[in-house]
Amino acid sequence: AQTVTQSQPEMSVQEAETVTLSCTYDTSESDYYLFWYKQPPSRQMILVIRQEAYKQQNATENRFSVNFQKAAKSFSLKISDSQLGDAAMYFCAYIRETSGSRLTFGEGTQLTVNP
Amino acid sequence: DSGVTQTPKHLITATGQRVTLRCSPRSGDLSVYWYQQSLDQGLQFLIQYYNGEERAKGNILERFSAQQFPDLHSELNLSSLELGDSALYFCASSVDFRTSGNTIYFGEGSWLTVV
Repeated sequence: AQTVTQSQPEMSVQEAETVTLSCTYDTSESDYYLFWYKQPPSRQMILVIRQEAYKQQNATENRFSVNFQKAAKSFSLKISDSQLGDAAMYFCAYIRETSGSRLTFGEGTQLTVNP
Repeated sequence: DSGVTQTPKHLITATGQRVTLRCSPRSGDLSVYWYQQSLDQGLQFLIQYYNGEERAKGNILERFSAQQFPDLHSELNLSSLELGDSALYFCASSVDFRTSGNTIYFGEGSWLTVV
């Protein structure tokens, strides 16, 4: 079974600084997708960034970027120029490229942004 | 706004009762997913529907059931409620389950409190 592990239950960063959240996953599949979702205090699940496993190029969305290491099964999220609004729980998620599959989530990392 | 609409947003009910949570997927999305997020647990996949048919089942209790209607909205029915069923229930949708890489968008969730 696929598993997703986020080894950092909590992280903190100073406003305007850069922080990296870690995620590792276990799969025997070759085709899959990885996501980072953000859950602010409102508890809404907001998509941050998406990565296709077949793409070597790391995904980037404005201040958010990933470091995707397929061989190491690692998928970290880098937040640059951190803002107070970035404070949230961040979930790493995995889904296989097959029908009927579902998102498997990590345990989450609670990010605090200090002014 | 993800485009996924869930009602009600908050619900308080007594043990032993039955409730129905409703979800309208994003326009054009055929696949609907239900997830449960308890305070002490991560996001647990419950069930997935595609164009009215059940496609995948996760850790869904026998007391729970779901369906997707011809207009693609979905309902999650929770019966014989227990205190432990108190949680945030998310509905999510995507275009086509056969292309699992389609991004899954989440609604704002329905808070269920069982007293």
